[in-house]
Amino acid sequence: QVQLQQSGPGLVRPSQTLSLTCAISGDSVSSDVAIWTWIRQSPSRGLEWLGRTHYRSKWYNDYAESVRSRITISPDTSKNQFSLQLNSVTPEDTAVYYCARDPAFSGGWSRNAFDIWGQGTVVTVSS
Amino acid sequence: DIQMTQSPSTLSASVGDRVTITCRASQSVDDWMAWYQQKPGKAPKLLIYKASTLQSGVPSRFSGGGSGTEFTLAISSLQPDDVATYYCQQFGGNSWTFGPGTKVEI
Repeated sequence: QVQLQQSGPGLVRPSQTLSLTCAISGDSVSSDVAIWTWIRQSPSRGLEWLGRTHYRSKWYNDYAESVRSRITISPDTSKNQFSLQLNSVTPEDTAVYYCARDPAFSGGWSRNAFDIWGQGTVVTVSS
Repeated sequence: DIQMTQSPSTLSASVGDRVTITCRASQSVDDWMAWYQQKPGKAPKLLIYKASTLQSGVPSRFSGGGSGTEFTLAISSLQPDDVATYYCQQFGGNSWTFGPGTKVEI
């Protein structure tokens, strides 16, 4: 049974860096039939896809245009987890952050849907 | 970015009713449409992917249809456990966007 366990602080000061980690059990961050994703949800912006990482002979990353200049998603194969870093946060980045899995098809192509989600982390940006 | 609209925003129906939610995309997304159910305080749960494929373990009363720019999620016989907010989600232009949600009440 695949599970995603999120960890990280719930309060971040404005202009600082938001850092969250998603630990994977029952699957591998290096799997060639999975894509690992971060999504956030807020009352003002709804559900918003932020970015993803996946391994297909080498590591690939894709990021949403809205956060591209501030975001990094990194895999950690030694701990079987992946992380989100969002720099220069403002109160508009206050949201519930989720990690999620896209279970790619057998050829490695994205299913473009998210079947396993972490429990969510409420992150507040405030001084 | 492709914009998504959902209708209705709120739906009130009786147990046993058939209900339908519609999602429209601002441009064609082929059949790259997924549907999720979200209950308060919980993460979204995948119901349907690739417009009409039922996710494993999801009751067969849920079904999806459509292609291009217009898609539907139907619940054939509404149950008390189906009270939730439902979201559509598309893939297009190398980005993934969600609809604003439909709240289903009994």
